[in-house]
Order: sequence, then C-alpha cells, then structure tokens
Amino acid sequence: DAGITQSPRHKVTETGTPVTLRCHQTENHRYMYWYRQDPGHGLRLIHYSYGVKDTDKGEVSDGYSVSRSKTEDFLLTLESATSSQTSVYFCAINEPSYEQYFGPGTRLTVT
Amino acid sequence: EDQVTQSPEALRLQEGESSSLNCSYTVSGLRGLFWYRQDPGKGPEFLFTLYSAGEEKEKERLKATLTKKESFLHITAPKPEDSATYLCAVQAVGYSTLTFGKGTMLLVSP
Repeated sequence: DAGITQSPRHKVTETGTPVTLRCHQTENHRYMYWYRQDPGHGLRLIHYSYGVKDTDKGEVSDGYSVSRSKTEDFLLTLESATSSQTSVYFCAINEPSYEQYFGPGTRLTVT
Repeated sequence: EDQVTQSPEALRLQEGESSSLNCSYTVSGLRGLFWYRQDPGKGPEFLFTLYSAGEEKEKERLKATLTKKESFLHITAPKPEDSATYLCAVQAVGYSTLTFGKGTMLLVSP
C-alpha cells in the first residue's frame, strides 16, 4: 500500500465551524490531491498541490482552502462548514506522469 | 471540458458469468485512461493505465482495452470477491489532474 494516511477518519461537526483535514504521505511524491466523493457525482477534485507552497484549484474549490508547508503534508480546510460539505474526502498522491494512489478517506458529517 | 461516462451504473452477475463495463470519454488529447477498483468504505485502488488506442492490459480475471472513444473492462468468470465499484478516469495531455466517471457498481453472486 502507498504510504498515505488521512486524519481524522471520521468527524462530525456543526454548521459554521472551521474544519481541517490532514493528508500525510511517506512516499516523497511531488503531487498531492484532495477529492470529495458523493453519491451521484463520483470523485471530484477540490484542490491539488504540485510542490511545497504550490497549489491550484480543482472543479469544486468554493468553500475550501489548502496548505502545503512541507512535502509530506497537505491540509484541507473548510473555512465555515456547511451541510453541503458533508461527504467522504480522499487524498491522493503521485509523481508526474504516473498513476494516483489514494488514501483511506475521511467521512465528514456537518450537522 | 473533459467528460467520462460509465455504463451501466450497476451490474449484477452470477459467479462465472463474464461481462464488460464501458467507459466512454471525451478529452482534448488523451494522455492516459485509468481504471480503479473501490471497495465499500475504502479508497480507490489502482488497476490499469492505458495510453493509446489498441492497447490492452490484463490482471487476473480483468482485461482493459482502449479505443479512441471508449474503454472496456472485461471481467472473465467473475468471483464474488470481484464485487466492487469500478471507476474510470482520464488525464489530458499537459495536465496532472484526472476526470473521473461516476463508476459501475458490480455485484457477483455465488
């Protein structure tokens, strides 16, 4: 298995609170990605990073921010959580031109 | 805009009953087409990458093929442990990101 961990694995939070999800890798891969997965929508890209401090937006970036201060960690922040952000969040990593490997996911519920 | 459509949405097979899953795509220039398997409650697991029309790859009971417009994932004599959701994704030339289809949920009954 690729060395990817996500924390927390499950979280319940209230509307309006900030939430930070963490993705940690031990593979020293350059690229890291955050996706959300919802029934009827499949996997959708939120943000991705192509190096330390280098990030870009994906398809569904509104309401989310990211940070990458070191190669191994990629943080996803929901600035003010809403019920529409209830989802399963996956982190993925890869080297350029190679397949992406996914973490185990974080199930987030916003009440 | 890149698009990926998978069909059927769900497929139920009897053990040993071979079938195929379809992934139709539109992309400005295809760099690669990826197949993943996802079990409930887990992250997607990489299966294959296909790069050019005519290419085929095999792994156990699975064989993936690619044309200029679609890819097929053929499942030969499936077993219950092949039950999962199968995801297809495309990567365009010059981009690092993937566009995923919504997946096909496969259930193989003993």
